[in-house]
Amino acid sequence: ETGVTQSPTHLIKTRGQQVTLRCSSQSGHNTVSWYQQALGQGPQFIFQYYREEENGRGNFPPRFSGLQFPNYSSELNVNALELDDSALYLCASSPLWEGPTNEQFFGPGTRLTVL
Amino acid sequence: RKEVEQDPGPFNVPEGATVAFNCTYSNSASQSFFWYRQDCRKEPKLLMSVYSSGNEDGRFTAQLNRASQYISLLIRDSKLSDSATYLCVVNINSGYALNFGKGTSLLVTP
Repeated sequence: ETGVTQSPTHLIKTRGQQVTLRCSSQSGHNTVSWYQQALGQGPQFIFQYYREEENGRGNFPPRFSGLQFPNYSSELNVNALELDDSALYLCASSPLWEGPTNEQFFGPGTRLTVL
Repeated sequence: RKEVEQDPGPFNVPEGATVAFNCTYSNSASQSFFWYRQDCRKEPKLLMSVYSSGNEDGRFTAQLNRASQYISLLIRDSKLSDSATYLCVVNINSGYALNFGKGTSLLVTP
């Protein structure tokens, strides 16, 4: 069983640019969530995708957008990059909702640096 | 006020020590509770779920007090390999967004 994978592992961009991060969910998982983890902080929820639709969003501006594809993989797009967008971006997948202890499995993350 | 609050530490303890981490959450509608472990520059991994009755997994014991909105993690007989950041996590809706605390850093020394 393949776990959650993310690409690229590292990325350097400059302010104002746009970036696309990719995530492949674990086999059998149909829900993908994206989190941003700034240095020294816990991960912050960006949004979740379920059946190719956004299924909830955290406190992030519209320049953070996403997609989910029929194979359940997902993309996170960030426009007009700002210095504060520098962070580890984590993707987590989970299976069909099975109750309150539904575990989310995290990928290794993409480390984005904005200069 | 942050939804999930933890003492950031760091906690420096010798091998074999017992260490306890505490966490409080603000939303009384929270349904699910977890402790995740995160090694340096790695992804978070589920350590254990936390149940109202309290639960134990080897050297690790988790407790939940819904009335006080308080979660704890006890690690007995600490090992060097326990050195990591421990994240308190609360889930308001099943399968939905996880709310993470800032994490508590643990360093176990020889």
